[in-house]
Amino acid sequence: ETGVTQSPTHLIKTRGQQVTLRCSSQSGHNTVSWYQQALGQGPQFIFQYYREEENGRGNFPPRFSGLQFPNYSSELNVNALELDDSALYLCASTSGRLMNTEAFFGQGTRLTVV
Amino acid sequence: AQSVTQLDSQVPVFEEAPVELRCNYSSSVSVYLFWYVQYPNQGLQLLLKYLSGSTLVKGINGFEAEFNKSQTSFHLRKPSVHISDTAEYFCAVSENRDDKIIFGKGTRLHILP
Repeated sequence: ETGVTQSPTHLIKTRGQQVTLRCSSQSGHNTVSWYQQALGQGPQFIFQYYREEENGRGNFPPRFSGLQFPNYSSELNVNALELDDSALYLCASTSGRLMNTEAFFGQGTRLTVV
Repeated sequence: AQSVTQLDSQVPVFEEAPVELRCNYSSSVSVYLFWYVQYPNQGLQLLLKYLSGSTLVKGINGFEAEFNKSQTSFHLRKPSVHISDTAEYFCAVSENRDDKIIFGKGTRLHILP
């Protein structure tokens, strides 16, 4: 097992720019979920990808988009960055339904928008 | 819609004392319940989960939680805390029809020497 890895670990962007965050899922895991954790808050569900298809979305605007690749790694793209997008972005991977498995989280990408 | 309320934002407790972190949830359907721990500058680690069956769930690091359906609660307990337990603890719920995890706002556990 290699664990869930996210890159970069820290990032500073200017308001209005675009950003891409990356996640490599744990070996054998085909489902990736993304979460946004603002300072002092719990993680909020952004969306989930299963076998390269979006499989559920939280209350985030369309400028938050994602991709999953054939090797099950994933990207989170955010366009037209706003100051409130500053947060820790967490990626979690699973090998199936939560009733049968565990979601493993990466250490996150800390995004600061200035 | 499902939601999670963690009743305490911070809990101070002396080392070797017992601790309880409170969590209430709301959902109109059957749910799975989780407790995650987040150490400083780390991601989330699963402490324990309730899917079905016995209402008392034992997890890692000596933690346990009890599911109470009538009170819609899932409180986390540890009989004796250590300085290494200093962290943020998140209660979470997932409806069994999808795998979206809804987190509470977290409880910061401060261990006092």
